[in-house]
Amino acid sequence: TQLLEQSPQFLSIQEGENLTVYCNSSSVFSSLQWYRQEPGEGPVLLVTVVTGGEVKKLKRLTFQFGDARKDSSLHITAAQPGDTGLYLCAGVRGSTLGRLYFGRGTQLTVWP
Amino acid sequence: DADVTQTPRNRITKTGKRIMLECSQTKGHDRMYWYRQDPGLGLRLIYYSFDVKDINKGEISDGYSVSRQAQAKFSLSLESAIPNQTALYFCATSRPGGSTDTQYFGPGTRLTVL
Repeated sequence: TQLLEQSPQFLSIQEGENLTVYCNSSSVFSSLQWYRQEPGEGPVLLVTVVTGGEVKKLKRLTFQFGDARKDSSLHITAAQPGDTGLYLCAGVRGSTLGRLYFGRGTQLTVWP
Repeated sequence: DADVTQTPRNRITKTGKRIMLECSQTKGHDRMYWYRQDPGLGLRLIYYSFDVKDINKGEISDGYSVSRQAQAKFSLSLESAIPNQTALYFCATSRPGGSTDTQYFGPGTRLTVL
């Protein structure tokens, strides 16, 4: 059973379009992290959100943590080919600090 | 130089063989992790270690064992490899940070079991 449900699994869009990736759970998390992975490499942390309702921006990427701390979203504005990659959400639960629970990932392809 | 290194980067082996994957880190972190990644399944935790004397099973530890030889080294063994252990394996490290731990991943080992 996957603790974090991530959708969509695949996303193929044209350069300049906007997109949103969702990460949902029935469980409460102490924090939610978003990682990005490129072929042949390990995941790299993009952002951590900790407070319910928190919004963080990283250039064209906007991350939001749900008020109840059970879900998160990643929105990319005006996607570029360089945004192509696998995006993974991961959560930390208060009862198991130090462990990350990963979603299945969203493979994003942005075409020129 | 990379902070988290994994050897080998690629390995092809046969069913029944014993395989060891090694991970070394220069970040000085106490916590180390082994994950496997399969297409469409994300990252699943195999084992983790919060210090040299602490080893814990993750969600998919059956068929695997680990050894924490030093703070900087954490190895994963497949005692008798089987084809459904074909996957991409990642080592990661972190330092205690409460709910905001960042994990730093190695480049991965692609293992194929024939």
